[in-house]
Amino acid sequence: EAAVTQSPRSKVAVTGGKVTLSCHQTNNHDYMYWYRQDTGHGLRLIHYSYVADSTEKGDIPDGYKASRPSQENFSLILELASLSQTAVYFCASSGGNERLFFGHGTKLSVL
Amino acid sequence: QEKVQQSPESLIVPEGAMSSLNCTFSNSASQSIWWYQQHPGKGPEALISIFSNGNKKEGRLTVYLNRASLHVSLHIRDSQPSDSAVYLCAESNYNVLYFGSGTKLTVEP
Repeated sequence: EAAVTQSPRSKVAVTGGKVTLSCHQTNNHDYMYWYRQDTGHGLRLIHYSYVADSTEKGDIPDGYKASRPSQENFSLILELASLSQTAVYFCASSGGNERLFFGHGTKLSVL
Repeated sequence: QEKVQQSPESLIVPEGAMSSLNCTFSNSASQSIWWYQQHPGKGPEALISIFSNGNKKEGRLTVYLNRASLHVSLHIRDSQPSDSAVYLCAESNYNVLYFGSGTKLTVEP
């Protein structure tokens, strides 16, 4: 079965600190995505990638950077964490047929 | 930027009833419309997708798509308590999915 693993599962960060969220997939999928979920806003696309060493901006990229060093790994980086970035973050992968496989999410609290 | 709207925000139905969820999307040229199910504390899971106008049936699920009106609906026949979850509608554009805010379905025993 397709597997997408996110780490950490939860994190508390301080305002202004650097946060890195990691995602690893064993699906051999080319596409990977980062979404954030807030109550009342559903899933909003932050960054995505369709090939290693390349990333694309989604709808809400401001304040986030992404890195895709290999086909299996996709990281989301918050250089200067802010209160407004408190949310649940989901990573997903896809083989190009538009069916996304999601991880369990990372709950990020910025204090 | 795609825009997907879902209604109602929440829905409560008795066990065995039909659940009907609605979604409007922004682009008649979107490639497919997807429905995902999300249980508390879990990531969303794909349920069903539709590309062509008309309907598609899989088990207890039926999806209706009308591209002209930018409307899609999901119907769950014989709803069960285990169907209680948030249902997310998404439109796709070249392997990028844009989601709505979801409908919270509660099926009461």
